[in-house]
Amino acid sequence: GESVGLHLPTLSVQEGDNSIINCAYSNSASDYFIWYKQESGKGPQFIIDIRSNMDKRQGQRVTVLLNKTVKHLSLQIAATQPGDSAVYFCAENRDNFNKFYFGSGTKLNVKP
Amino acid sequence: NAGVTQTPKFRVLKTGQSMTLLCAQDMNHEYMYWYRQDPGMGLRLIHYSVGEGTTAKGEVPDGYNVSRLKKQNFLLGLESAAPSQTSVYFCASSYSGVPGAFFGQGTRLTVV
Repeated sequence: GESVGLHLPTLSVQEGDNSIINCAYSNSASDYFIWYKQESGKGPQFIIDIRSNMDKRQGQRVTVLLNKTVKHLSLQIAATQPGDSAVYFCAENRDNFNKFYFGSGTKLNVKP
Repeated sequence: NAGVTQTPKFRVLKTGQSMTLLCAQDMNHEYMYWYRQDPGMGLRLIHYSVGEGTTAKGEVPDGYNVSRLKKQNFLLGLESAAPSQTSVYFCASSYSGVPGAFFGQGTRLTVV
């Protein structure tokens, strides 16, 4: 079946470097995507979202890129900090605006 | 302002026992959701509700029931717990038409 997935299960970066977390989706009808951050022992936290009529959206230190041609989503974190260490999930809206399906997550380790 | 509160935070059940997980939100959100998260996996939607008195099935509804008698509360019931239901359960809520969802801290359930 169609699903949301991630390329890399674990990513290690040096503090201060930029991080790129990738996500592949297979449902071409999906029109809305969200990135969540989940710290250990906590619930997911909304980071940034993007609609399918956009290819880039920027937030504070984060940028989401959407390539609909290859069904690929990425999250870029600038000047990665130790507090960015967490698991990052992309979530895809398939059926209606408020029901999302999550990928398996990428763990980001930030080395001091 | 507490946000989304889940009760209890931890629970151990014996196979065949029943229990109810409570989710309460104080943000006047219309939509509420129950997800489960298994090790190394993303969140999977169990059931959701688009308003008081309404519920709908998500990806993995079997073995669970829900009720939304009051707008602020969303209850998840396990009638006869099975070891396969060992997981971390997250409740979330959101405004209709507004991106993203606010998650609770999770309930760690172990069925032995």
